[in-house]
Amino acid sequence: NAGVTQTPKFQVLKTGQSMTLQCAQDMNHEYMSWYRQDPGMGLRLIHYSVGAGITDQGEVPNGYNVSRSTTEDFPLRLLSAAPSQTSVYFCASSYPGSGYTFGSGTRLTVV
Amino acid sequence: GQQVMQIPQYQHVQEGEDFTTYCNSSTTLSNIQWYKQRPGGHPVFLIQLVKSGEVKKQKRLTFQFGEAKKNSSLHITATQTTDVGTYFCAGGGANNLFFGTGTRLTVIP
Repeated sequence: NAGVTQTPKFQVLKTGQSMTLQCAQDMNHEYMSWYRQDPGMGLRLIHYSVGAGITDQGEVPNGYNVSRSTTEDFPLRLLSAAPSQTSVYFCASSYPGSGYTFGSGTRLTVV
Repeated sequence: GQQVMQIPQYQHVQEGEDFTTYCNSSTTLSNIQWYKQRPGGHPVFLIQLVKSGEVKKQKRLTFQFGEAKKNSSLHITATQTTDVGTYFCAGGGANNLFFGTGTRLTVIP
């Protein structure tokens, strides 16, 4: 079991560029979520999914899109990167009502 | 929206001293979870509390869930250098999890 795999681990983007952060889990978890972590702000929920084909917005969804075509994958798309999106992004998965398993994170810098 | 507040933001303790972090929610929580994040790492699940007034222990760690299910605490007895990191509480909604701002623990040898 690899758990939750996030790629890339590091990324530098120019303002206005788009990119996709990949997240895959091999635990057959129904729930998947994306969080961003900024100093002093804890983890803030961007988008989440309770199953394939179902997604919903979290606390800070603006500027991000998600889709969930399979149980395993939950990519996060940045449509037009902005410096305010510089952050560490974590993907997590879980069974309903259980603890979350986090990926190792993607450190994104937008210049 | 749901808000989960956590205090203190930082705590420095001498090795061997006790440590407590507190978590408060503006709304009743269906459950509360606790995570630990080592510097440069990712959050790691520690425990989940579901019942009102529930107390759970993991070795030197004691977790409590308030009677009204709006607050929780994590107490570490006799801290060790391996306890260093940021401790987060997270309140559960029906389908998602909202994290507190975390308490960063530094243990001075």
